[in-house]
Amino acid sequence: DQQVKQNSPSLSVQEGRISILNCDYTNSMFDYFLWYKKYPAEGPTFLISISSIKDKNEDGRFTVFLNKSAKHLSLHIVPSQPGDSAVYFCAASVQSGGSNYKLTFGKGTLLTVNP
Amino acid sequence: NAGVTQTPKFRILKIGQSMTLQCAQDMNHNYMYWYRQDPGMGLKLIYYSVGAGITDKGEVPNGYNVSRSTTEDFPLRLELAAPSQTSVYFCASTQSFLGGYTFGSGTRLTVV
Repeated sequence: DQQVKQNSPSLSVQEGRISILNCDYTNSMFDYFLWYKKYPAEGPTFLISISSIKDKNEDGRFTVFLNKSAKHLSLHIVPSQPGDSAVYFCAASVQSGGSNYKLTFGKGTLLTVNP
Repeated sequence: NAGVTQTPKFRILKIGQSMTLQCAQDMNHNYMYWYRQDPGMGLKLIYYSVGAGITDKGEVPNGYNVSRSTTEDFPLRLELAAPSQTSVYFCASTQSFLGGYTFGSGTRLTVV
């Protein structure tokens, strides 16, 4: 049973346009969400996170939106650049109540930004 | 600062052989993790550790063992390798989720 779902295996956008990557989750206990970016032959790198007490977090070109009622989050990249081409993983965890430092990952979405 | 170092980067094993995947971090992180990534799949947690001497099973622990004798090292042992263990293995560490995990660059393992 997949608790974190990224239903789009791939996404292709033009340079300069907006990229929107989506993620859905089923476990209502999740209260902290993260996005990771992964290039081929490298480990994932942390990109941005959001706590369930917020509905938006922004860091430069990257913004994450959280809709708790829909159990949905999205990552917006504006403007998209060719160097953003990578696999993006959505991840979630349960932070409240103590020491659960485990992340559950989605399957990833391959973003291709065309020049 | 090296971060998280995994060795080897690549390995081919024959069915039934054993090996240890090494993971070391120099950030004094308490929490360490082993994940595997199969093609088209997300990362699945094999084992994790919340500190030296403490380990626990993740989602897919069968066929693996771990130990955590020091804060820095978290080796993953494969006993009796099987083709189903062909995967890319990532080690990660963290002290706080606010900054996310720091991942190693991975070990690509093929069992033939």
